[in-house]
Amino acid sequence: DQQVKQNSPSLSVQEGRISILNCDYTNSMFDYFLWYKKYPAEGPTFLISISSIKDKNEDGRFTVFLNKSAKHLSLHIVPSQPGDSAVYFCAAEGPLHADPNDYKLSFGAGTTVTVRA
Amino acid sequence: SAVISQKPSRDICQRGTSLTIQCQVDSQVTMMFWYRQQPGQSLTLIATANQGSEATYESGFVIDKFPISRPNLTFSTLTVSNMSPEDSSIYLCSVEDTGGGEQYFGPGTRLTVT
Repeated sequence: DQQVKQNSPSLSVQEGRISILNCDYTNSMFDYFLWYKKYPAEGPTFLISISSIKDKNEDGRFTVFLNKSAKHLSLHIVPSQPGDSAVYFCAAEGPLHADPNDYKLSFGAGTTVTVRA
Repeated sequence: SAVISQKPSRDICQRGTSLTIQCQVDSQVTMMFWYRQQPGQSLTLIATANQGSEATYESGFVIDKFPISRPNLTFSTLTVSNMSPEDSSIYLCSVEDTGGGEQYFGPGTRLTVT
């Protein structure tokens, strides 16, 4: 059962424009959300996160928005640069099992971003 | 953040054999995890590697197939036993930053089973 969903497998954007990546989740117990970036042949690298008590977190060109009522978060990259071409994973932290102290990360399937020059 | 290395970076193995993947961290960490990323799919947690005790496996993963060792706070191994082509995947270890909840990943081990 996929509890974190990234419904767009790919996104192509022109350099300098905004990239918007979307993520939906089903488990209302998730309370911390993260975005990871992955280049080929490398492990995912942490990009930005947001706690469920906030609705926005900004770090340079990257902003993450959280809409708890809709169980939806998005990552905005502006302006997009060629080096941003990568796979982006949305992840959520929260109890996946009955034990409320058993916190794990649940990942979406990823969105491949291509920034065109 | 912690620096994580994995060995081997890739391997091609025959059906029925086993492969042990090593994960080394440059600092002591409490939480270490092993993930699998099958082709075209997301990262799936295999187990949490506990120091000094048995690993905690996620649903669908068992110790006989994926034995894990965690002899100290900087090192862990994952063995993929009696491999089949369905085990072809990228295997990643990660550690958790106790301050923020973020996990940091190793570079991954790309396994191909023929």
